[in-house]
Amino acid sequence: GNSVTQMEGPVTLSEEAFLTINCTYTATGYPSLFWYVQYPGEGLQLLLKATKADDKGSNKGFEATYRKETTSFHLEKGSVQVSDSAVYFCALKYTGFQKLVFGTGTRLLVSP
Amino acid sequence: AAGVIQSPRHLIKEKRETATLKCYPIPRHDTVYWYQQGPGQDPQFLISFYEKMQSDKGSIPDRFSAQQFSDYHSELNMSSLELGDSALYFCASSYLILTSGDVIDSNTGELFFGEGSRLTVL
Repeated sequence: GNSVTQMEGPVTLSEEAFLTINCTYTATGYPSLFWYVQYPGEGLQLLLKATKADDKGSNKGFEATYRKETTSFHLEKGSVQVSDSAVYFCALKYTGFQKLVFGTGTRLLVSP
Repeated sequence: AAGVIQSPRHLIKEKRETATLKCYPIPRHDTVYWYQQGPGQDPQFLISFYEKMQSDKGSIPDRFSAQQFSDYHSELNMSSLELGDSALYFCASSYLILTSGDVIDSNTGELFFGEGSRLTVL
């Protein structure tokens, strides 16, 4: 079946450090890929998305590239801030009725 | 811009009681998804509706039921509540387009989530 695997957290970084959160997926065909972020006590917000191979999604300094050859969608940011502390979920979805499938989430903690 | 509205935001119930959660999708969105997120867990898909018909079913217990109404809002009914039902319940909406017998997302699969309803069962 379709699934998403993320690196386990927490990921602990100092402010201005480089961030990578790994995400790989198992799916048939060509799903869209997403990163959602959940700040403490809040709901899920879309961070970025990519709909086909080699697409790069970007938002708020975060980037992720849809790599079909490695079935990956790693999240990166060049310089993290304390305000980036949150749980990040990688997810995939096929078009139409198909549900959004989440990874287990990776908690990011950024210290000053 | 209008977002997905969920109510109530917080709910406390006793074991074996009943709870109802409501979800109001973004205007013009015709598809609603329900997810359950336990403490420290990833969101688990429960059920979805398209044009008031159930479109997919996930790990929804038999004690739970849901429906989508003519105004596209949805309600999740939970009966005989158990301690393990304590969780954050998310509703998400999207807009699907029917084209030549196929259904595609208008936003390439993006779901728009509400803030969630936190259910605590004591």
